[in-house]
Amino acid sequence: QVRLVESGGGVVQPGTSLRLSCAASEFTFSSYVMHWVRQPPGKGLEWVAGISVDGTGEHYADSEKGRFTISRDNSKNTLYLQVSSLRDEDTAVYYCATEGGSSGHAGYFDYWGQGTLVTVSS
Amino acid sequence: DIQMTQSPSTLSASVGDRVTITCRASQSISTWLAWYQQKPGKAPKLLINQASSLESGVPSRFSGSGSGTEFTLTIGSLQPDDFATYYCQHYNSYPCSFGQGTKLEIK
Repeated sequence: QVRLVESGGGVVQPGTSLRLSCAASEFTFSSYVMHWVRQPPGKGLEWVAGISVDGTGEHYADSEKGRFTISRDNSKNTLYLQVSSLRDEDTAVYYCATEGGSSGHAGYFDYWGQGTLVTVSS
Repeated sequence: DIQMTQSPSTLSASVGDRVTITCRASQSISTWLAWYQQKPGKAPKLLINQASSLESGVPSRFSGSGSGTEFTLTIGSLQPDDFATYYCQHYNSYPCSFGQGTKLEIK
């Protein structure tokens, strides 16, 4: 049973940075492309970033380029999302997800964590 | 970037009804489309990939169809557990994106 557990969320001030983590277990983490998806309160889903199995390939939503950095440590079975210069509009639940299959370019998401809430507020 | 538009935004229906949700892409995405169900306070659940391939364990009353720019999710006979929000997502290319969601409510 795939298990994904996000952590690192909380209340943070605008302009600061934050690192989210996603601990993976019960599957071969190093064989899966991984993603972050976020959901502002009461709103829809937004894809944030994805990373290749070996961490050498990264993709980002246009709005997040430059402020968000996705990374992974396959030795620790952990996915990360570093967010800098946090803004009010970054307030959201952040989910990590496994890529279940792809078009050869992007993919869909078959397993999701429970999410971690980031609230940007002064 | 490819934009995804769902309709309707809200749908009121009764148990036993057959309902259809539409998802349109701003350009052709072949059949690189997934559908998700989300309940309040929970993570999304994958229902369908590649436009019409039902995920293991998903009831057969769910079906997907379409290709190119127009897609549909149909629920054959609504059950109480089906009242939730549904999202489409394209994965034709990066950046992938979701539709804005369709909230399925009890009439």
